[in-house]
Amino acid sequence: KAGVTQTPRYLIKTRGQQVTLSCSPISGHRSVSWYQQTPGQGLQFLFEYFSETQRNKGNFPGRFSGRQFSNSRSEMNVSTLELGDSALYLCASSEQGDNTEAFFGQGTRLTVV
Amino acid sequence: AQSVTQLGSHVSVSEGALVLLRCNYSSSVPPYLFWYVQYPNQGLQLLLKYTTGATLVKGINGFEAEFKKSETSFHLTKPSAHMSDAAEYFCAVRGSGSARQLTFGSGTQLTVLP
Repeated sequence: KAGVTQTPRYLIKTRGQQVTLSCSPISGHRSVSWYQQTPGQGLQFLFEYFSETQRNKGNFPGRFSGRQFSNSRSEMNVSTLELGDSALYLCASSEQGDNTEAFFGQGTRLTVV
Repeated sequence: AQSVTQLGSHVSVSEGALVLLRCNYSSSVPPYLFWYVQYPNQGLQLLLKYTTGATLVKGINGFEAEFKKSETSFHLTKPSAHMSDAAEYFCAVRGSGSARQLTFGSGTQLTVLP
């Protein structure tokens, strides 16, 4: 099985712009979660989608949004970018069930200048 | 709410020495616990997980962890460190139901000295 694929791997944007990141989960996985990783805050949960519905959301401003398509692929969008949004954004997919492991993609490195 | 504490943000060991990375958790329900490893500019790779059953869990690359409920700990060990083990390690606890996201510790950077 192919792993979790995130595109693009690297991105440079200017303050005030918006950005869309993409994640293709492992085939058969219907749960997709997004995390932000920064040196200062570590790994923080953004949101989880399951069967096209947002199931849970972390403590991030409304500028961060996401969606999931019928094929389980997911996108996250950040509008009005700020310098502090520079981070590694990680997507993880998993099967249904609380005891299942999450498989992570290689991440998208976003730099806001 | 669940939380994870990793003691020691940096750990250095000599090649061939024992690796011990500490993790304590707080959870109001029986926890699902995970250890992940991250190499530079990479995503997270699962090393091992504890859900139910045997408290000593074996993972990939010779790592293992022991779940101790009385101590709320899930420390990661490896008998003999290899240079390729140098990376950052994250302990995580998973919630349940509608809050099944992973909550991560702050990470431990492992350095292996020749």
